[in-house]
Amino acid sequence: EAQVTQNPRYLITVTGKKLTVTCSQNMNHEYMSWYRQDPGLGLRQIYYSMNVEVTDKGDVPEGYKVSRKEKRNFPLILESPSPNQTSLYFCASSLSSGGTGELFFGEGSRLTVL
Amino acid sequence: AQKITQTQPGMFVQEKEAVTLDCTYDTSDPSYGLFWYKQPSSGEMIFLIYQGSYDQQNATEGRYSLNFQKARKSANLVISASQLGDSAMYFCAMRASAILTGGGNKLTFGTGTQLKVEL
Repeated sequence: EAQVTQNPRYLITVTGKKLTVTCSQNMNHEYMSWYRQDPGLGLRQIYYSMNVEVTDKGDVPEGYKVSRKEKRNFPLILESPSPNQTSLYFCASSLSSGGTGELFFGEGSRLTVL
Repeated sequence: AQKITQTQPGMFVQEKEAVTLDCTYDTSDPSYGLFWYKQPSSGEMIFLIYQGSYDQQNATEGRYSLNFQKARKSANLVISASQLGDSAMYFCAMRASAILTGGGNKLTFGTGTQLKVEL
């Protein structure tokens, strides 16, 4: 089954404790991206990757890091989480960076930073 | 810069009736795509429908249709014969051509419309 898998789905952590949210897709997609969703703000892009070893900042990259060492994986790293990073996070992928293809989303990871 | 505006934070509709969710957009790119996603209370994002800026006809997918008015920069979602399972948050999104934005397949989202279908 074609899918984007995120882990963990739910996480409560404390300020400053490094964490990683993993994202993996099995569709051989070149393009992957991270979004965060906050009430009243819709979804905002954090980072994206056009292909292996190619990453770039989105609209709200502060406080986050990413890496793309393999095509299928695109982890999101919070080196020192803060309460304002409490949010619902989505990983998404697409076959390419352009065209009419939709973004396929993971199920979301709800993060709470105390 | 790209912008999506959804002016209806919440809407109610009776079962079996049609409902229109508004979406207006702003972009300077000549080539772009418009998407609608559904987010039920469980949280996942479900793709509903796509309209390309050069498409001559309005997109349709089952009970969903997109009322695309390019001159007015609007891309309203029409849901016909509403069902209880249609109760969800609905997001309009836009992707402009990768060449001009440099952001690849970045979707710019609106703030969403919460739809409630009532008996």
